[in-house]
Amino acid sequence: QKEVEQNSGPLSVPEGAIASLNCTYSDRGSQSFFWYRQYSGKSPELIMFIYSNGDKEDGRFTAQLNKASQYVSLLIRDSQPSDSATYLCAAFAGGTSYGKLTFGQGTILTVHP
Amino acid sequence: DAGVTQSPTHLIKTRGQQVTLRCSPKSGHDTVSWYQQALGQGPQFIFQYYEEEERQRGNFPDRFSGHQFPNYSSELNVNALLLGDSALYLCASSGQGYNEQFFGPGTRLTVL
Repeated sequence: QKEVEQNSGPLSVPEGAIASLNCTYSDRGSQSFFWYRQYSGKSPELIMFIYSNGDKEDGRFTAQLNKASQYVSLLIRDSQPSDSATYLCAAFAGGTSYGKLTFGQGTILTVHP
Repeated sequence: DAGVTQSPTHLIKTRGQQVTLRCSPKSGHDTVSWYQQALGQGPQFIFQYYEEEERQRGNFPDRFSGHQFPNYSSELNVNALLLGDSALYLCASSGQGYNEQFFGPGTRLTVL
């Protein structure tokens, strides 16, 4: 079992729809969770992070965390063609002076006009 | 406010050679992590430096080594290059007490 798994893609949604990206993790010691967006040929860009169970909203993005189910999701409302990219889910585990991100394989999202 | 910078942007080497990649962290950050991203995969953690020491290491062979300088910048060295080392090498910086890591633009390494 992979440490962080993302829902298989690619995912295609029409412009204006809600895109739902899902992720599960196996390490219960993971303390926080991150969503990165990566355009083709570019480096990952941090979109959101979440530490506590529940929802966290930032503009059109909502991150959801359920530690009991070891499940993280990202909802993108009013999807735009510019949202088309690979979305990476990452789990952070570490201590006071160290910590690493473990990434899923990514989900390719295409938003078509 | 300068973000994370990396050099060079692209690099082509042949098998058996050695390579050094460089990273300067975001202003105010003191921790540097290195990741390898193969095509179509998520980034894989190589190691992390804080206070000029390697604090944590991923599942990479000893051919991969690094260094952090007093100004927090860092180098990644790879010896005896293999074809499988071809990848995008990403540097990420973070501040102490914060888990968020911000990535640089990456160095694309091609091994022929």
